[in-house]
Amino acid sequence: DSGVTQTPKHLITATGQRVTLRCSPRSGDLSVYWYQQSLDQGLQFLIQYYNGEERAKGNILERFSAQQFPDLHSELNLSSLELGDSALYFCASSVGGGSGYTFGSGTRLTVV
Amino acid sequence: GQNIDQPTEMTATEGAIVQINCTYQTSGFNGLFWYQQHAGEAPTFLSYNVLDGLEEKGRFSSFLSRSKGYSYLLLKELQMKDSASYLCAVRHIGANNLFFGTGTRLTVIP
Repeated sequence: DSGVTQTPKHLITATGQRVTLRCSPRSGDLSVYWYQQSLDQGLQFLIQYYNGEERAKGNILERFSAQQFPDLHSELNLSSLELGDSALYFCASSVGGGSGYTFGSGTRLTVV
Repeated sequence: GQNIDQPTEMTATEGAIVQINCTYQTSGFNGLFWYQQHAGEAPTFLSYNVLDGLEEKGRFSSFLSRSKGYSYLLLKELQMKDSASYLCAVRHIGANNLFFGTGTRLTVIP
C-alpha cells in the first residue's frame, strides 16, 4: 500500500456520461497530481493541486475538471465521455518541493 | 517544452545486466526520475538524479549527464520479476510535475 488511495478501482460507463474519480493523498502530502495513461501510451500529465489551489495544468481537456478539498483529497471529474477517454487514471502525491511522487493504484475507466 | 526518448522494448537474460537509456530535451532541467511499472499497476519510484554522476541503490543504478541530456538506468543480476516497463521522467525548473517518456518495456527471459 503506497498510502495514496484511489477509488473506484474500476469504472465502466457509457459515452456521454459523467464520472468522478477520487484520490486521497499520502498523509502529510500537500500536492496531488492527476495523470492519464492510455493503452501503450506514456503517462500524460493532466493537472496539479497544491494545498487546495491549482498549481499546474497539462494536457487536460475542457470536458475534464478537478479540485482539491480542504482535507486535501482530490476529485477528477470527466464529463461528456468519449470512447477515447478509456484509460488508466492515476493520482500521485508529494510533499512538494524537491521530492518525487507516490502513485495510487489507479482507476481503470472503460467507456462503452 | 520537453522531449523524452527511450527505447520501446528490450529483452535481457536472467542474471545479466541491462542498461536502459533515456535522452531528453528541456528548457530548465530540475531533476530526472526513473520509475518501474508492472502492467496495469502503479508506477513505483526507483531513483532520482539532479546532479551529474551515478546514483547506486542495490541492484539498480542511475546515471545522469546534464550537458548531454542523457540518463541511463542500470539493472544488475536481473530477475524474472524485473520484467516491467521503466519510465524516465523529467522535472523542469519552477514546476513540481513530471513529464514522462513512453517507457521501455523490459522482458527478462530465463
